[in-house]
Amino acid sequence: DIQMTQSPSSLSASVGDRVTITCQASQDISNYLNWYQQKPGKAPKLLIYDASNLETGVPSRFSGSGSGTDFTFTISSLQPEDIATYYCQQYDNLPSYSFGQGTKLEIK
Amino acid sequence: QVQLQESGPGLVKPSETLSLTCTVSGGSISSYYWSWIRQPPGKGLEWIAYIYYSGSTNYNPSLKSRVTISIDTFKNQFSLKLSSVTAADTAVYYCARETAVAGRARFDYWGQGTLVTVSS
Repeated sequence: DIQMTQSPSSLSASVGDRVTITCQASQDISNYLNWYQQKPGKAPKLLIYDASNLETGVPSRFSGSGSGTDFTFTISSLQPEDIATYYCQQYDNLPSYSFGQGTKLEIK
Repeated sequence: QVQLQESGPGLVKPSETLSLTCTVSGGSISSYYWSWIRQPPGKGLEWIAYIYYSGSTNYNPSLKSRVTISIDTFKNQFSLKLSSVTAADTAVYYCARETAVAGRARFDYWGQGTLVTVSS
């Protein structure tokens, strides 16, 4: 199974800060990686697919990059509504998709 | 706008079978993959299984022996059965649509989730 390791597990930042979350795969997954945002009590929401493509309707302050085993998710200027937990998810390794353990983002 | 809604018992006894249904509205169930994903309280996401509208399936190996996923295209519904449940199966269960094109895949629509508690 492919293991996805996110870091940090939690993060505190100020409004306007640039925020970066990393996700490392235990083996090469090309760019078969998506990023989701989950607010408390809500379902996850797709933000980035195929490592770097912005889902329709998602603000441009969100971006993703990487390929192979190392991936980065960035919020260019943190907004109060971005408080959430963020998950990476790989889909290269069927028959099982897997998610990272999540990064909880809080406002400082 | 596609909407997904989970339904089923919120409480299941240990050793019994958990049964959930996801109803899809605002779009056809055809030509997509449909998944179940769960999240234990305070923990991360775990993909359980998917089914294609044609009926082909794929299961998480860690749950495969206990899981059955099925689809009813006429009712625009798909279902999950998880047998021999224990307290470790207590979780919010989400249904989700997977858009898959040319080998690329993403969960682009999700239900609101339903909490299933396993307890006697």
